[in-house]
Amino acid sequence: EPEVTQTPSHQVTQMGQEVILRCVPISNHLYFYWYRQILGQKVEFLVSFYNNEISEKSEIFDDQFSVERPDGSNFTLKIRSTKLEDSAMYFCASTSRPTYEQYFGPGTRLTVT
Amino acid sequence: GNSVTQMEGPVTLSEEAFLTINCTYTATGYPSLFWYVQYPGEGLQLLLKATKADDKGSNKGFEATYRKETTSFHLEKGSVQVSDSAVYFCALSGITDKLIFGTGTRLQVFP
Repeated sequence: EPEVTQTPSHQVTQMGQEVILRCVPISNHLYFYWYRQILGQKVEFLVSFYNNEISEKSEIFDDQFSVERPDGSNFTLKIRSTKLEDSAMYFCASTSRPTYEQYFGPGTRLTVT
Repeated sequence: GNSVTQMEGPVTLSEEAFLTINCTYTATGYPSLFWYVQYPGEGLQLLLKATKADDKGSNKGFEATYRKETTSFHLEKGSVQVSDSAVYFCALSGITDKLIFGTGTRLQVFP
C-alpha cells in the first residue's frame, strides 16, 4: 500500500541553524500539507500546498518557514533560523483531492537545543 | 474560529470493555468530522469520518455519529482489544481542507 515517508525520523539542531525536513508524498497525490505537534499539545496545521503554490498557511507559518516541491517527488519544509519553541513532531500529509482523506507520514521529531 | 475539544486521557480499560471517547466541536457552517488514530511509532491514520449531520462513520468496530444538535462526534467501541491501544485524535475540516485537531486521547487496554 502506498504511504507517505518522511526523513529524518529525528533531527537535533542548535538554535539559529537552518533545518530541512523532507517528505515523499504518495505519487499520484496533488495536495500537500505540513502539521506539527509540540509535545503534549494539539496537532496544528502549518501550511497547505497545491500546484506549486501555498494554498493556505497558519499564523505559525511566518517568514522563517518555507515549503518547496523541488523535483516532483519530494516536499520539503525549511526552517531558516530555528528557535527552541520549534521543537516538535512535524507531520507531512498528502491527498488526491482536498475533500478526501489526508494520508500522514510517521513524522520527524525536531529537537532544537 | 473552529475548534475541537476531546476528553483528557489516558483512558485505561480492560480487554472487552466498552469504550467512549468524547469529542465536541465549534465550527461555522457544516464541517466534516474525523477520527484519526496513531499507533506507537507510526503516523496518523484515518479511522472514520462523517461529512453531514446524523451520518455515522464506522470502521474496525469503532463508530461515531455526527450530532449537530450537541456538536459532538463521540467515538465508541463495544469491546476493545489490546491492539486498540493508541492515541485517538478527533478532527474537523471546514470551508478549507486544513484539519483542526483535538489534543488526542491515549487509550491503554490491558489483558
